Amino acid sequence: NAGVTQTPKFRVLKTGQSMTLLCAQDMNHEYMYWYRQDPGMGLRLIHYSVGEGTTAKGEVPDGYNVSRLKKQNFLLGLESAAPSQTSVYFCASSDRGVRRTEPQHFGDGTRLSIL
Amino acid sequence: KQEVTQIPAALSVPEGENLVLNCSFTDSAIYNLQWFRQDPGKGLTSLLLIQSSQREQTSGRLNASLDKSSGRSTLYIAASQPGDSATYLCAVSRGGTSYGKLTFGQGTILTVHP
Repeated sequence: NAGVTQTPKFRVLKTGQSMTLLCAQDMNHEYMYWYRQDPGMGLRLIHYSVGEGTTAKGEVPDGYNVSRLKKQNFLLGLESAAPSQTSVYFCASSDRGVRRTEPQHFGDGTRLSIL
Repeated sequence: KQEVTQIPAALSVPEGENLVLNCSFTDSAIYNLQWFRQDPGKGLTSLLLIQSSQREQTSGRLNASLDKSSGRSTLYIAASQPGDSATYLCAVSRGGTSYGKLTFGQGTILTVHP
Protein backbone atom coordinates (compact mmCIF):
# COMPACT_ATOMS: atom_id res chain seq x y z
CA ASN A 1 0.00 0.00 0.00
CA ALA A 2 2.89 2.37 -0.82
CA GLY A 3 1.08 4.78 -3.19
CA VAL A 4 3.59 7.39 -4.39
CA THR A 5 7.17 7.04 -3.17
CA GLN A 6 9.84 9.71 -3.61
CA THR A 7 13.58 9.21 -3.18
CA PRO A 8 15.62 10.71 -1.70
CA LYS A 9 13.76 12.47 1.10
CA PHE A 10 16.50 15.02 1.75
CA ARG A 11 19.51 16.20 -0.25
CA VAL A 12 22.06 18.98 -0.09
CA LEU A 13 23.87 19.92 -3.28
CA LYS A 14 26.50 22.42 -4.27
CA THR A 15 25.83 24.89 -7.07
CA GLY A 16 26.55 23.29 -10.43
CA GLN A 17 26.08 19.69 -9.30
CA SER A 18 23.54 17.44 -10.94
CA MET A 19 21.08 14.99 -9.48
CA THR A 20 17.97 12.98 -10.25
CA LEU A 21 14.85 12.72 -8.11
CA LEU A 22 12.90 9.50 -8.45
CA CYS A 23 9.15 9.09 -8.17
CA ALA A 24 7.51 5.67 -8.19
CA GLN A 25 3.81 4.85 -8.03
CA ASP A 26 2.19 1.45 -7.64
CA MET A 27 -1.39 2.41 -8.57
CA ASN A 28 -1.01 1.92 -12.34
CA HIS A 29 -1.82 5.60 -12.89
CA GLU A 30 -1.48 7.11 -16.35
CA TYR A 31 -0.71 10.69 -15.31
CA MET A 32 2.25 11.83 -13.25
CA TYR A 33 3.35 15.31 -12.16
CA TRP A 34 6.28 17.11 -10.58
CA TYR A 35 5.60 20.21 -8.44
CA ARG A 36 7.78 22.48 -6.38
CA GLN A 37 6.57 24.18 -3.20
CA ASP A 38 8.11 27.43 -2.06
CA PRO A 39 7.08 29.73 0.81
CA GLY A 40 4.64 32.36 -0.40
CA MET A 41 4.43 30.77 -3.88
CA GLY A 42 2.32 27.71 -3.25
CA LEU A 43 2.76 24.61 -5.40
CA ARG A 44 3.76 25.14 -9.02
CA LEU A 45 3.81 22.52 -11.76
CA ILE A 46 7.25 21.82 -13.25
CA HIS A 47 6.62 19.00 -15.74
CA TYR A 48 4.02 16.34 -16.22
CA SER A 49 3.42 13.13 -18.17
CA VAL A 50 0.21 11.70 -19.60
CA GLY A 51 1.62 8.24 -20.21
CA GLU A 52 4.73 6.11 -20.59
CA GLY A 53 7.21 7.73 -22.96
CA THR A 54 5.54 11.17 -22.86
CA THR A 55 6.49 14.37 -21.05
CA ALA A 56 5.33 17.99 -21.21
CA LYS A 57 6.26 21.33 -19.68
CA GLY A 58 4.35 22.84 -16.83
CA GLU A 59 4.42 26.32 -15.37
CA VAL A 60 8.10 26.47 -14.28
CA PRO A 61 10.10 23.99 -16.41
CA ASP A 62 13.37 25.90 -16.86
CA GLY A 63 16.41 24.17 -15.38
CA TYR A 64 14.70 20.78 -15.12
CA ASN A 65 14.36 17.73 -17.34
CA VAL A 66 12.14 14.69 -16.92
CA SER A 67 11.77 11.20 -18.28
CA ARG A 68 9.05 8.54 -18.10
CA LEU A 69 10.61 5.39 -19.49
CA LYS A 70 8.37 3.14 -17.40
CA LYS A 71 4.75 3.78 -16.52
CA GLN A 72 5.37 3.54 -12.79
CA ASN A 73 8.39 5.87 -12.66
CA PHE A 74 8.80 9.59 -13.31
CA LEU A 75 12.29 11.08 -12.96
CA LEU A 76 13.12 14.74 -12.40
CA GLY A 77 16.65 15.85 -13.26
CA LEU A 78 18.63 18.94 -12.38
CA GLU A 79 21.57 19.20 -14.78
CA SER A 80 23.33 22.13 -13.07
CA ALA A 81 21.77 22.97 -9.72
CA ALA A 82 21.27 26.63 -8.77
CA PRO A 83 20.38 28.14 -5.36
CA SER A 84 17.00 29.22 -6.84
CA GLN A 85 16.12 25.53 -7.09
CA THR A 86 16.18 25.11 -3.34
CA SER A 87 12.68 23.91 -2.65
CA VAL A 88 10.47 21.02 -1.62
CA TYR A 89 9.65 18.84 -4.62
CA PHE A 90 6.46 16.81 -4.77
CA CYS A 91 5.50 14.09 -7.17
CA ALA A 92 1.87 13.20 -7.79
CA SER A 93 -0.06 10.73 -9.89
CA SER A 94 -3.65 10.30 -10.98
CA ASP A 95 -5.73 7.86 -12.92
CA ARG A 96 -6.82 8.87 -16.39
CA GLY A 97 -10.47 8.34 -15.57
CA VAL A 98 -13.38 8.70 -17.92
CA ARG A 99 -13.70 12.45 -17.47
CA ARG A 100 -10.28 13.30 -16.01
CA THR A 101 -11.84 13.88 -12.60
CA GLU A 102 -9.63 11.63 -10.57
CA PRO A 103 -7.89 13.15 -7.52
CA GLN A 104 -4.14 13.40 -7.48
CA HIS A 105 -2.13 11.31 -5.01
CA PHE A 106 1.02 12.91 -3.63
CA GLY A 107 4.31 11.61 -2.30
CA ASP A 108 5.85 12.95 0.93
CA GLY A 109 8.27 15.23 -0.89
CA THR A 110 12.00 15.69 -1.39
CA ARG A 111 13.62 18.55 0.50
CA LEU A 112 16.45 19.89 -1.66
CA SER A 113 18.95 22.56 -0.63
CA ILE A 114 21.41 24.07 -3.08
CA LEU A 115 24.39 25.81 -1.49
CA LYS B 1 -3.80 33.19 -16.23
CA GLN B 2 -5.68 31.45 -13.44
CA GLU B 3 -5.02 32.77 -9.95
CA VAL B 4 -6.24 31.08 -6.79
CA THR B 5 -6.50 32.94 -3.48
CA GLN B 6 -7.22 31.50 -0.05
CA ILE B 7 -8.49 33.52 2.88
CA PRO B 8 -7.59 33.62 5.71
CA ALA B 9 -3.90 32.76 5.53
CA ALA B 10 -4.05 31.44 9.08
CA LEU B 11 -6.85 30.58 11.49
CA SER B 12 -6.80 29.55 15.13
CA VAL B 13 -9.96 28.23 16.77
CA PRO B 14 -10.93 26.38 19.96
CA GLU B 15 -11.87 22.73 19.74
CA GLY B 16 -15.50 22.10 18.86
CA GLU B 17 -15.98 25.22 16.78
CA ASN B 18 -17.43 25.08 13.27
CA LEU B 19 -15.30 26.92 10.73
CA VAL B 20 -15.17 27.97 7.09
CA LEU B 21 -12.16 28.25 4.80
CA ASN B 22 -12.45 30.28 1.63
CA CYS B 23 -11.01 29.84 -1.85
CA SER B 24 -11.50 32.12 -4.85
CA PHE B 25 -10.32 31.77 -8.45
CA THR B 26 -10.18 34.30 -11.27
CA ASP B 27 -11.11 32.14 -14.29
CA SER B 28 -14.46 30.38 -13.92
CA ALA B 29 -13.69 27.97 -16.80
CA ILE B 30 -12.62 25.19 -14.45
CA TYR B 31 -13.09 21.43 -14.78
CA ASN B 32 -13.02 20.65 -11.10
CA LEU B 33 -11.83 21.98 -7.74
CA GLN B 34 -10.04 19.97 -5.09
CA TRP B 35 -9.40 20.57 -1.42
CA PHE B 36 -6.24 19.06 0.06
CA ARG B 37 -4.79 18.73 3.53
CA GLN B 38 -1.05 18.98 4.19
CA ASP B 39 0.52 18.01 7.50
CA PRO B 40 3.95 19.44 8.42
CA GLY B 41 6.72 17.68 6.52
CA LYS B 42 4.26 15.59 4.56
CA GLY B 43 2.67 15.49 1.15
CA LEU B 44 -0.86 16.47 0.22
CA THR B 45 -3.91 14.34 0.92
CA SER B 46 -6.98 14.86 -1.23
CA LEU B 47 -10.05 15.60 0.90
CA LEU B 48 -12.80 16.45 -1.56
CA LEU B 49 -13.12 16.89 -5.31
CA ILE B 50 -16.00 18.87 -6.79
CA GLN B 51 -16.72 18.67 -10.49
CA SER B 52 -17.66 21.92 -12.20
CA SER B 53 -21.24 20.70 -12.65
CA GLN B 54 -21.64 20.02 -8.91
CA ARG B 55 -22.54 22.42 -6.11
CA GLU B 56 -21.11 20.55 -3.12
CA GLN B 57 -19.45 17.44 -1.81
CA THR B 58 -19.47 15.99 1.69
CA SER B 59 -17.17 13.63 3.54
CA GLY B 60 -17.76 13.10 7.23
CA ARG B 61 -17.40 16.45 9.02
CA LEU B 62 -16.23 18.16 5.84
CA ASN B 63 -18.45 19.91 3.32
CA ALA B 64 -17.14 21.73 0.27
CA SER B 65 -19.26 24.00 -1.88
CA LEU B 66 -18.60 25.46 -5.30
CA ASP B 67 -20.06 28.56 -6.95
CA LYS B 68 -18.39 28.43 -10.32
CA SER B 69 -19.97 31.59 -11.71
CA SER B 70 -18.68 33.73 -8.86
CA GLY B 71 -15.33 31.92 -8.67
CA ARG B 72 -15.68 30.81 -5.07
CA SER B 73 -15.46 27.67 -2.99
CA THR B 74 -15.75 27.11 0.73
CA LEU B 75 -14.63 24.25 2.94
CA TYR B 76 -16.79 23.85 6.03
CA ILE B 77 -15.39 21.85 8.95
CA ALA B 78 -17.90 20.90 11.62
CA ALA B 79 -17.02 20.33 15.27
CA SER B 80 -13.31 20.94 14.77
CA GLN B 81 -10.75 18.75 16.58
CA PRO B 82 -7.04 19.24 17.38
CA GLY B 83 -6.32 16.53 14.80
CA ASP B 84 -7.72 18.86 12.11
CA SER B 85 -4.72 21.15 12.57
CA ALA B 86 -2.93 21.31 9.22
CA THR B 87 -2.58 23.45 6.11
CA TYR B 88 -5.57 23.30 3.78
CA LEU B 89 -5.04 23.94 0.09
CA CYS B 90 -7.50 24.36 -2.72
CA ALA B 91 -6.63 23.76 -6.36
CA VAL B 92 -8.49 24.13 -9.65
CA SER B 93 -8.13 22.18 -12.86
CA ARG B 94 -8.85 23.53 -16.33
CA GLY B 95 -10.75 21.50 -18.85
CA GLY B 96 -9.85 20.51 -22.38
CA THR B 97 -6.38 19.04 -22.74
CA SER B 98 -5.14 20.20 -19.34
CA TYR B 99 -4.74 16.57 -18.24
CA GLY B 100 -5.56 17.42 -14.65
CA LYS B 101 -2.94 20.14 -14.25
CA LEU B 102 -3.70 21.99 -11.04
CA THR B 103 -3.35 25.63 -10.00
CA PHE B 104 -3.00 25.90 -6.24
CA GLY B 105 -3.80 28.55 -3.70
CA GLN B 106 -1.23 29.33 -1.03
CA GLY B 107 -3.18 27.59 1.69
CA THR B 108 -4.79 28.31 5.05
CA ILE B 109 -2.89 27.21 8.16
CA LEU B 110 -5.46 25.90 10.64
CA THR B 111 -4.73 25.45 14.32
CA VAL B 112 -7.37 23.87 16.56
CA HIS B 113 -6.43 24.18 20.22
CA PRO B 114 -7.88 22.06 23.03
